[in-house]
Amino acid sequence: DGGITQSPKYLFRKEGQNVTLSCEQNLNHDAMYWYRQDPGQGLRLIYYSQIVNDFQKGDIAEGYSVSREKKESFPLTVTSAQKNPTAFYLCASGRPAGLNQPQHFGDGTRLSIL
Amino acid sequence: QKEVEQNSGPLSVPEGAIASLNCTYSDRGSQSFFWYRQYSGKSPELIMFIYSNGDKEDGRFTAQLNKASQYVSLLIRDSQPSDSATYLCAVIGGTSYDKVIFGPGTSLSVIP
Repeated sequence: DGGITQSPKYLFRKEGQNVTLSCEQNLNHDAMYWYRQDPGQGLRLIYYSQIVNDFQKGDIAEGYSVSREKKESFPLTVTSAQKNPTAFYLCASGRPAGLNQPQHFGDGTRLSIL
Repeated sequence: QKEVEQNSGPLSVPEGAIASLNCTYSDRGSQSFFWYRQYSGKSPELIMFIYSNGDKEDGRFTAQLNKASQYVSLLIRDSQPSDSATYLCAVIGGTSYDKVIFGPGTSLSVIP
């Protein structure tokens, strides 16, 4: 079935550790996005990519890094520089925003600090 | 002024009533408007989209768009307890042409 797969579902980070969240899609979408959601809050854009080998910072990129080497994959690394990483991380994909098509979301990854 | 605004709620309606969720946006060039439903602990799911002024109906859901007033709404008829969730308004276009702008969401509670 076509969809967006995020893994793992739950992730724990130790002090000073970098962790990588996986996002894979088989919808043939060009655009992919990473959002952070804190309890009771809305979505905040971390990074987005409209095409392979290109990505842009969102509103809260500090302490995060991404790569887009393949159309299907857009992994997010939460670095040790992100001092408050505990949140629900959502990956989304869609046609390029200029085509006015909606995004679709994966099931999310919950990240906590050990 | 935030780009997309919604009443945070919580909005409480009795079962069977009409729930009305509102969203305003600041960029007059915005072109596409989406409503997502997010259950607690889950990811958002798309329930409606609208591009043109007027109403668009899909089952118990009606999206209404008024570009002159920069206003989009979602009506849920015959509200059910299963409609209890947070509803996110999202907008594309204008100066933010390459990304979707989400509102903060409105929490809806349908009381049996």
